[in-house]
Amino acid sequence: QVQLVESGGNLVKPGGSLRLSCTASGFTFSDYFMAWIRQAPGKGPEWISYIGSSGNNMYYADSVKGRFTISRDNAKNSLYLQMNSLRAEDTATYYCARDLGTSVALYYWGQGTLVTVSS
Amino acid sequence: QSALTQPPSASGSPGQSVTISCTGTSSDIGGYNYVSWYQQHPGKAPKLMIYEVSKRPSGVPDRFSGSKSGNTASLTVSGLQAEDEAEYYCSSFAGRYTLLFGGGTKVTVL
Repeated sequence: QVQLVESGGNLVKPGGSLRLSCTASGFTFSDYFMAWIRQAPGKGPEWISYIGSSGNNMYYADSVKGRFTISRDNAKNSLYLQMNSLRAEDTATYYCARDLGTSVALYYWGQGTLVTVSS
Repeated sequence: QSALTQPPSASGSPGQSVTISCTGTSSDIGGYNYVSWYQQHPGKAPKLMIYEVSKRPSGVPDRFSGSKSGNTASLTVSGLQAEDEAEYYCSSFAGRYTLLFGGGTKVTVL
């Protein structure tokens, strides 16, 4: 069965950096677009980044453009999110998700990893 | 990239129907047939319930249906059951592989 497991969430000071990882299993990772979505406490989800199946195309929300970098290693079935210049408003649970494949929709989600930005 | 607009709450008795609206613009909901709906129970990840406006993934009951008119999409849950009590979020493609989400609607089964 499809599994997505995020890791790397932590408490970090404003201005700091963090790298999130997402390990995928149960499907051919290299066939699918992958995304990162975050959800601040008590708020709705916010899409933050998409990456194409080969890793050559990346897309970002304006709120993270220039600070966050999405990448993937298809040989390791892994998705990454490098987060720099972190701000208090980046505090959220971060989910990785797999695209439906035939449409722009997020079919499988991980359990999420919590990132807290605070001094 | 403004969020889509949803009512904060909706409710219905068991067996009744509830409809949730999601309003966007011609640059997102009105411009593409890529509207999705997600169900989220407390402490859990969102679950895809509807995609491409009205399609249901495998395993989603046909009590859940979606539609769209202009810049507004809707999710209807018919024959409400206790397990349908959850937060529901709409989402729309907004061009250039960007997605927008709504603020969420809390559905309460009375």
